[in-house]
Amino acid sequence: GNSVTQMEGPVTLSEEAFLTINCTYTATGYPSLFWYVQYPGEGLQLLLKATKADDKGSNKGFEATYRKETTSFHLEKGSVQVSDSAVYFCALNDNNDMRFGAGTRLTVKP
Amino acid sequence: GAVVSQHPSRVICKSGTSVKIECRSLDFQATTMFWYRQFPKKSLMLMATSNEGSKATYEQGVEKDKFLINHASLTLSTLTVTSAHPEDSSFYICSAISLAPTKNIQYFGAGTRLSVL
Repeated sequence: GNSVTQMEGPVTLSEEAFLTINCTYTATGYPSLFWYVQYPGEGLQLLLKATKADDKGSNKGFEATYRKETTSFHLEKGSVQVSDSAVYFCALNDNNDMRFGAGTRLTVKP
Repeated sequence: GAVVSQHPSRVICKSGTSVKIECRSLDFQATTMFWYRQFPKKSLMLMATSNEGSKATYEQGVEKDKFLINHASLTLSTLTVTSAHPEDSSFYICSAISLAPTKNIQYFGAGTRLSVL
């Protein structure tokens, strides 16, 4: 079946540090891939997406590239801010079968 | 962009009572909505898929009679937690599929924190 595995947290970084959160997936079809962000006390917000191999999703300085050969969709940001502190979920949608990773809590310290 | 409104955001109830949570798509029609449950420090667990005008499809292990789902219109789905008990305390999140302008994307409500005393 379909599944998503993402890097366990928590991750603690200093402001302006480089961020990578690893995400790999298993899918029977050709899924779309997503990163969602959940700020404290709030629901999930779509951060970025990619719908096919080699697509790069980007938003708010975050990027992730759909790598079919490594079945990965790692999230990166060159310089994190305190306001980026949140929980990040990697997800796939394969014909409306949606799967989420366990979430990675990021804390950015000033 | 597409907006999903979920209400209430927080509810506290006594054990044995029922609680209804509403999920509305505000600016698009959603033929399919999803209900998730999120446990502390864990990922989302899909509870059921709700299709407008038909019965919801429940995931294995989710009690249909406990978690009643009604999708009466293209913009509204409700989840009723019947005879709630403390173990039902959790964060419940709904989402809806938008067919336009972008297909295959789920938009999430802000969630409802249920506390059963």
